[in-house]
Amino acid sequence: EPEVTQTPSHQVTQMGQEVILRCVPISNHLYFYWYRQILGQKVEFLVSFYNNEISEKSEIFDDQFSVERPDGSNFTLKIRSTKLEDSAMYFCASRPPQGAYEQYFGPGTRLTVT
Amino acid sequence: DAKTTQPTSMDCAEGRAANLPCNHSTISGNEYVYWYRQIHSQGPQYIIHGLKNNETNEMASLIITEDRKSSTLILPHATLRDTAVYYCIVRVPQGGKLIFGQGTELSVKP
Repeated sequence: EPEVTQTPSHQVTQMGQEVILRCVPISNHLYFYWYRQILGQKVEFLVSFYNNEISEKSEIFDDQFSVERPDGSNFTLKIRSTKLEDSAMYFCASRPPQGAYEQYFGPGTRLTVT
Repeated sequence: DAKTTQPTSMDCAEGRAANLPCNHSTISGNEYVYWYRQIHSQGPQYIIHGLKNNETNEMASLIITEDRKSSTLILPHATLRDTAVYYCIVRVPQGGKLIFGQGTELSVKP
């Protein structure tokens, strides 16, 4: 069964450094999402992406964040200058263009900012 | 998207049916009920969705009341691996983001 994959599974970085989190969505999906979950808190929406542009973003997704689909398979989230409060699990999701519009999530990347 | 209310936690004995309720009294006519679950910090997993008819798939059954103001997710024979946080989300299908609440933490006990 096709699945969303994410790399790395765990990333440790120092405050102020740039990080890129990578995702490979399911191949025939056209809508892509990033969510994050701070330890012990709710899953929060960050951004949605369709047709090579952002379709919606949350207040969390400020100028420090960017997303890109650099080729036909990868979908990336970049944090330009990480802060301690960016420490969280980051989940990528994708959904098919038709049907129930359910979203399929990857296993997540645990980002630890020290 | 309509607001949902779920119990914070529930217990269920292994092998028994787990019935997880959700209230969504402000649901509008074009909104569906979706259920996801999250097993211990893994990515959320889609379970099932419905509009007004009861639905069943290989994972669960979804019972929606006639007035659509509440629903129940049923795991017919809960196993230890069903221990997770279960989220009830109401939204239009074409809607983009999922808005997660606190969900119900289901503990399946031997």
